[in-house]
Amino acid sequence: DIQMTQSPSSLSASVGDRVTITCRASQRISSYLNWYQQKPGKAPKLLIYAASSLQSGVPSRFSGSGSGADFTLTISSLQPEDFATYYCQQSYSTPFTFGPGTKVDIK
Amino acid sequence: QVQLVESGGGVVQPGRSLRLSCAASGFTFSSYAMHWVRQAPGKGLEWVAVISYDGSNKYYADSVKGRFTISRDNSKNTLYLQMNSLSAEDTAVFSCARDPAYDASGRMDVWGKGTTVTVSS
Repeated sequence: DIQMTQSPSSLSASVGDRVTITCRASQRISSYLNWYQQKPGKAPKLLIYAASSLQSGVPSRFSGSGSGADFTLTISSLQPEDFATYYCQQSYSTPFTFGPGTKVDIK
Repeated sequence: QVQLVESGGGVVQPGRSLRLSCAASGFTFSSYAMHWVRQAPGKGLEWVAVISYDGSNKYYADSVKGRFTISRDNSKNTLYLQMNSLSAEDTAVFSCARDPAYDASGRMDVWGKGTTVTVSS
């Protein structure tokens, strides 16, 4: 099975900050990497798919990059509604494993 | 609008069974693969299973293989998860999610709000 790791596990940031979250796969997964946002008590929301493609309706301040085993989610200017937990997920092969999550909270 | 609504959760004793349902609306259910994902209290997301658009292909997480069965009824626009031999480690919110491909692409673009399963004596 492919294991996913994320760093950091949590971070504190201010509105307007540039935020970067990294995700690493235990083997190369090409660009089969997705990012989700989850707010407390809510369903996850797909933000980025295929490592760098922005899901329809997602603000352009979110971007993804990377290929192979190392990936990055960047929020260019953090907004109040962006405080949430972010998960990466590999879709290269089953089981479709998620990373442990990165919680972004208010500094 | 596109919507997924789960039902069937509840409190169940260890070793017993439960069947979850996911009712889809607002899109052509029979054209999409579907997933189940769970989240234990205070924990992260865990992918559980996926089924192709026509039910011909099914894949499971190792943690549920042999105990859980994913199925679908395209005439009823409904996805199911039959869960047998439940243990406390299965306590979680179970959510269904749509895969934008006929077969499993692996990404999930529409999610339900989930149904809570609690395994306790």
